[in-house]
Amino acid sequence: GAVVSQHPSWVICKSGTSVKIECRSLDFQATTMFWYRQFPKQSLMLMATSNEGSKATYEQGVEKDKFLINHASLTLSTLTVTSAHPEDSSFYICSASRGGGNQPQHFGDGTRLSIL
Amino acid sequence: GENVEQHPSTLSVQEGDSAVIKCTYSDSASNYFPWYKQELGKGPQLIIDIRSNVGEKKDQRIAVTLNKTAKHFSLHITETQPEDSAVYFCAASPAHGGATNKLIFGTGTLLAVQP
Repeated sequence: GAVVSQHPSWVICKSGTSVKIECRSLDFQATTMFWYRQFPKQSLMLMATSNEGSKATYEQGVEKDKFLINHASLTLSTLTVTSAHPEDSSFYICSASRGGGNQPQHFGDGTRLSIL
Repeated sequence: GENVEQHPSTLSVQEGDSAVIKCTYSDSASNYFPWYKQELGKGPQLIIDIRSNVGEKKDQRIAVTLNKTAKHFSLHITETQPEDSAVYFCAASPAHGGATNKLIFGTGTLLAVQP
């Protein structure tokens, strides 16, 4: 159990467009979902934490108007990169957790975003 | 805030040998320590985790040890196989109580198992 699906796996788009990434927990209810960004050969950087039905909590330095997060159900969270620019190109990964103290985070396979 | 350091950054071993990766953390209140394996182009996969009330945990060829006094924890892989080659991340969860806590990740270790 604990399968997390992320879609799309890879997207290329022009500068100025908005891109939506979906994260779904397939076999469990995810009270909390997390969004990370990972640069090549680097660690995972937490961008925001979202709890179902609540506004996301963003980490310091992450623009909430740039990276819109919606967690409308216990199985789906979305990240929208608005007006994307080349510097937004990165590997974006979501994770999902059942919630409660120290429940494991289960990760999707990431989305490779390339902005031309 | 919590800070996690991980060593070594790269590790090359011969097939069948053991591999050890070490992490230290700064927040003594952290109480949950997972290890993840990330293959190229994939998301991290949870391989083992340990909570602060336990000193050691083992799952087949993988074991994790935790020293709360020294604030360090280690991943041990025995009888390594080429398919163990990947990037391994440790993480610590600062305890804030209540809802799921975020993870602070180490910088990763690239493990190469030579056949």
